[in-house]
Amino acid sequence: GDSVTQTEGQVTVSESKSLIINCTYSATSIAYPNLFWYVRYPGEGLQLLLKVITAGQKGSSRGFEATYNKETTSFHLQKASVQESDSAVYYCALSDRGYAQGLTFGLGTRVSVFP
Amino acid sequence: DMKVTQMPRYLIKRMGENVLLECGQDMSHETMYWYRQDPGLGLQLIYISYDVDSNSEGDIPKGYRVSRKKREHFSLILDSAKTNQTSVYFCASTNNQAPLFGEGTRLSVL
Repeated sequence: GDSVTQTEGQVTVSESKSLIINCTYSATSIAYPNLFWYVRYPGEGLQLLLKVITAGQKGSSRGFEATYNKETTSFHLQKASVQESDSAVYYCALSDRGYAQGLTFGLGTRVSVFP
Repeated sequence: DMKVTQMPRYLIKRMGENVLLECGQDMSHETMYWYRQDPGLGLQLIYISYDVDSNSEGDIPKGYRVSRKKREHFSLILDSAKTNQTSVYFCASTNNQAPLFGEGTRLSVL
């Protein structure tokens, strides 16, 4: 079946430093699935951060960027300078058959930003 | 304002009791989902609904059932709850765009 791998369960970073959260994927039905990053801030629900549906394209939102790399089957999330308010759990996800089967999520990466 | 609303937000039940989690959306989305989220396991799909009375099992349906009698409402039912069903439950809906999630229901089964 489909799978999404986030290698870091927890990341700690100082404010104003850069952040990279790794995500690799495997889709069984089609070569180029739709890719997403969702974020869950403390006490809140899951929110869409960004999505990219075309291989080779980059998505961006709230200072975060992620590039859909079909060669390495990766969709890493990056931010050049984090703030304390970026502390949250970030989930990478894919959809390979439209939305009829839901999304497949990674395990999530908890990001803690310290001042 | 597009929103998925889950009720209740927090719930404590005893083992063997019945549990009803409710989800509503005001966007007339056809497709709705129930997920559960556990530490170290990410989000797991329990059920999908494609419209009224058109439901399909997800990856972990055992111990759960669902009901969708109106497009706007999708309920998750636990008959005789078990302690291993303690989790955070998320409802989501979509109209062929990135799914919109609710804020979650934190269920504790003691």
